[in-house]
Amino acid sequence: GAGVSQSPRYKVTKRGQDVALRCDPISGHVSLYWYRQALGQGPEFLTYFNYEAQQDKSGLPNDRFSAERPEGSISTLTIQRTEQRDSAMYRCASSFEQGSYEQYFGPGTRLTVT
Amino acid sequence: AQKVTQAQTEISVVEKEDVTLDCVYETRDTTYYLFWYKQPPSGELVFLIRRNSFDEQNEISGRYSWNFQKSTSSFNFTITASQVVDSAVYFCALSEVGNYGGATNKLIFGTGTLLAVQP
Repeated sequence: GAGVSQSPRYKVTKRGQDVALRCDPISGHVSLYWYRQALGQGPEFLTYFNYEAQQDKSGLPNDRFSAERPEGSISTLTIQRTEQRDSAMYRCASSFEQGSYEQYFGPGTRLTVT
Repeated sequence: AQKVTQAQTEISVVEKEDVTLDCVYETRDTTYYLFWYKQPPSGELVFLIRRNSFDEQNEISGRYSWNFQKSTSSFNFTITASQVVDSAVYFCALSEVGNYGGATNKLIFGTGTLLAVQP
């Protein structure tokens, strides 16, 4: 079946603009996660949802970052007033249910803020 | 605080050599989960294995094997008879137990080990 999909795959934006990154999890997966990966580093946790409920947003760097999953499926990560330091690969992952373990990752969105 | 350390930044081997990637973790939890992921040059993250803290049996899957030792807080990964297709960045990760007993909370990743297998 289809894996986790993310769009756009690449996004170039000017400093100060808002961006919205989309994640479509594997069908039927309850849990959805957002991570950010800088070049040469491992992914860093941003936030996570079970169904539509945001369970943990401790990794969001500041209040310019927000995420939602209104119908418990597709999720959007929004970055307002982007800054150059926001440039990174943004990865989404999903897992089947709360008692399940493996997180399956999407291809990521490469964000470049100029 | 939880932490994962992959001290080997880069490893280069010649095809058919065996290679071990090291992973050392820190956690105060008595129940936790450990993972390995592979990131090939194409960039995706591919799940390889999950191990819970109660199961210290080593695991073998084809040319891959994992050695979990709680006494040294290590979860090392060995590739036997390496192949060029094994060239990738390999990440070790740690997850605490979630509210429902599954490792579905955040993964804490190491910085990765770049493995280059030369033909």
